[in-house]
Amino acid sequence: AQSVAQPEDQVNVAEGNPLTVKCTYSVSGNPYLFWYVQYPNRGLQFLLKYITGDNLVKGSYGFEAEFNKSQTSFHLKKPSALVSDSALYFCAVRVSSDSGNTPLVFGKGTRLSVIA
Amino acid sequence: DTGVSQDPRHKITKRGQNVTFRCDPISEHNRLYWYRQTLGQGPEFLTYFQNEAQLEKSRLLSDRFSAERPKGSFSTLEIQRTEQGDSAMYLCASSLLGESSYNEQFFGPGTRLTVL
Repeated sequence: AQSVAQPEDQVNVAEGNPLTVKCTYSVSGNPYLFWYVQYPNRGLQFLLKYITGDNLVKGSYGFEAEFNKSQTSFHLKKPSALVSDSALYFCAVRVSSDSGNTPLVFGKGTRLSVIA
Repeated sequence: DTGVSQDPRHKITKRGQNVTFRCDPISEHNRLYWYRQTLGQGPEFLTYFQNEAQLEKSRLLSDRFSAERPKGSFSTLEIQRTEQGDSAMYLCASSLLGESSYNEQFFGPGTRLTVL
């Protein structure tokens, strides 16, 4: 079974400081990993994904994430946080397969608060 | 706006009533997904379609839940005999299945259901 853990319910960071939102996963097979962001009263927005290749993935709004197979982690990072980055962040995983029928499994989310 | 749209955005109903939600995916997307999101949780997969075929429905929460995508375009999610526990945000997403099966999903704004 697939699962995702986001160990922190809340992350607080000062504007201009680097931020990290943690994610670990469990799949039986090779993972496809995703990060989404949710702003109030809006749907989830795709940030970035890891499928294969370079372990460091760059995405929207200056975010990046590093795939670490040995630690089964896919932490989201940004070098310099903005107040506008404050939102709810979700990590998601699915196992790669030819059929593509496995569903996307989401973590519980981490609320990021960037303080001016 | 060419994104995923959902209607209505909010629905308040009394216990025991039937409700139906509509999702219009991005026009060229052949896959359509339904999720449920409760407070403090990540989206929970319910079902999905590839064109008009419903490929996975075992995750639907009970036999009171059903979904259709009759012409491979818009989809409806119906909940019969609603219960207070059905109160949640219902999210729709779409994606394009190409040569690979790992294209990201694009989410709509959701329909918030409140069952009194």
